[in-house]
Amino acid sequence: DTAVSQTPKYLVTQMGNDKSIKCEQNLGHDTMYWYKQDSKKFLKIMFSYNNKELIINETVPNRFSPKSPDKAHLNLHINSLELGDSAVYFCASSQDRPDRGGDTIYFGEGSWLTVV
Amino acid sequence: SQQGEEDPQALSIQEGENATMNCSYKTSINNLQWYRQNSGRGLVHLILIRSNEREKHSGRLRVTLDTSKKSSSLLITASRAADTASYFCALRPNFGNEKLTFGTGTRLTIIP
Repeated sequence: DTAVSQTPKYLVTQMGNDKSIKCEQNLGHDTMYWYKQDSKKFLKIMFSYNNKELIINETVPNRFSPKSPDKAHLNLHINSLELGDSAVYFCASSQDRPDRGGDTIYFGEGSWLTVV
Repeated sequence: SQQGEEDPQALSIQEGENATMNCSYKTSINNLQWYRQNSGRGLVHLILIRSNEREKHSGRLRVTLDTSKKSSSLLITASRAADTASYFCALRPNFGNEKLTFGTGTRLTIIP
């Protein structure tokens, strides 16, 4: 009964490959997020969706494309992977959207991506 | 920068002692939140304090907020080995799309 679940947890892949990370939340939340945490533990938001609508799109290479088939799912597809993409990617959700005080954020366990 | 900066970056204390971590920021905030991240895990929300609040408690956690100094502190009393983790402050600004921004955390180690 994990609240925010993402798969895979670990992913090792070669440069140039395309990969996807899937995320699902069973909290009934309207808003979902993708965050990237680098080796220095800095956590940066990448995208946010509210009811399948993209509401936050930070300065992220267009090789990264989020897809939200419904409000309970937010997947992240990455094309032409580069060494610098190696990081931990966290999916998260909140009851409401950020600009309406969507306060507490619930995180998944993370997906460790290593590009070799 | 809209992110908070935690201080110290790392802290080691004996079990049973109190641990204090600080967060300083530069922007105007709606609220400030503290999260914990155990090694290899996701972040877990601990406590939220709004800009019109000065202190909040949750179990062994005490958070203070001083908006005039733009700083917050997280106090963990009677620390336990299980408190070993990284602790992040996150800011909800008062403007823009108000997305939550995180600092780089304080790495807390409790020595048994």
